[in-house]
Amino acid sequence: QSALTQPASVSGSPGQSITISCTGTSSDVGAYDFVSWYQHHPGKAPKLIIFDVTKRPSGVSNRFSGSKSGNTASLTISGLQAEDEADYYCCSYANSDSSPFGGGTRLTVL
Amino acid sequence: QVQLQESGPGLVKPSQTLSLTCTVSGGSINSGDYFWSWVRQPPGKGLEWIGYIFETGDTSYNPSLRSRLSMSVDTSKKQFSLNLKSVTAADTAVYFCARETGTNTFDFWGQGVLVTVSS
Repeated sequence: QSALTQPASVSGSPGQSITISCTGTSSDVGAYDFVSWYQHHPGKAPKLIIFDVTKRPSGVSNRFSGSKSGNTASLTISGLQAEDEADYYCCSYANSDSSPFGGGTRLTVL
Repeated sequence: QVQLQESGPGLVKPSQTLSLTCTVSGGSINSGDYFWSWVRQPPGKGLEWIGYIFETGDTSYNPSLRSRLSMSVDTSKKQFSLNLKSVTAADTAVYFCARETGTNTFDFWGQGVLVTVSS
């Protein structure tokens, strides 16, 4: 059972924007600005796309953005493209030794 | 660019020990800045953090695996390893090694290796 709750699936058409939520508690997402997001295409290595809630690593498209309000973090992908179809995972620092990942969200580009 | 590569058997028999090694290239394993981690993904399921080891040998393990788990690091070879004993079919998964920055941010990952537990 994951500590962070994500929707199992979201979908959108090319060019649209979608948002994936990640709900935690006042002990993890709400307590620290250390939320990260990962894009995972099956059979490949997961890729860090957002860290510290809003920051993008070098080389990651600015179509990906992150935010946080209270105990819920969000990942928004704008200008949806076919290549964005993947699984997305959130992760939060929590000063504990439990698994920090959300359950994952499957994004389908229609 | 830091690269990580997992290696080890793809098939382990039930009750035996699963052993994997991760080799780091393109960067230092003993810079004092990172935690060398293992994450797994069972078939059809999400990511599960297994644990990490620091360059000093200090470790932190997922409580659900702690009684069966051990990790080690060899800084001279730029490798860190995972040993999971008494495995069952529930341990069948793709195992990833990753570099973690100290805030549960995993910035570099290996490609992953599928380990199947079966007789």
